[in-house]
Amino acid sequence: KQEVTQIPAALSVPEGENLVLNCSFTDSAIYNLQWFRQDPGKGLTSLLLIQSSQREQTSGRLNASLDKSSGRSTLYIAASQPGDSATYLCAVRRIAAGNKLTFGGGTRVLVKP
Amino acid sequence: EAQVTQNPRYLITVTGKKLTVTCSQNMNHEYMSWYRQDPGLGLRQIYYSMNVEVTDKGDVPEGYKVSRKEKRNFPLILESPSPNQTSLYFCASSLTGTGVKFFGQGTRLTVV
Repeated sequence: KQEVTQIPAALSVPEGENLVLNCSFTDSAIYNLQWFRQDPGKGLTSLLLIQSSQREQTSGRLNASLDKSSGRSTLYIAASQPGDSATYLCAVRRIAAGNKLTFGGGTRVLVKP
Repeated sequence: EAQVTQNPRYLITVTGKKLTVTCSQNMNHEYMSWYRQDPGLGLRQIYYSMNVEVTDKGDVPEGYKVSRKEKRNFPLILESPSPNQTSLYFCASSLTGTGVKFFGQGTRLTVV
């Protein structure tokens, strides 16, 4: 059974600091890993999808790395802004589980002006 | 605009009164699924569909039904809602089984 963990559960940083968000998973037999952002009362917005064959994926200030063998992914957000305040969720898609995503519990981020 | 649309966004109902939450996507996606989000339990898949008339159970299907009669629509049906189905529900779609998944805005359901 796949378990996905995100530590810490909450993080507070001053504006301008780089954010480092961690995601670990127990079963390395994955198709891909997807990072999402969730704002309070809102849906999930896809940020990055990183395939199992990739080491990293970049979009603007966001960079996601993947180390499949050790079961870890890290999302880096450069030069954080108050608008980056949200909950960040990682989700893995296991080879044996078809379309299903297994989600971590999320990291709630607060960027203080 | 490419999107997944759920309705209603908020719903309060009473135990046992049948309800349907609608989900529609305009991206011609093959795959659609329903999740529920609960504090401390995260997001869990209820049902998913790989194409029209093809559906399968996720991790927590008890008490729910789905149908996929058209590619764009994937309604979630609660035949006899109970208070333990109070939750935040999300519909999602993706072009392929392993592609980027797009989520709707969520439906907050309260069963009293």
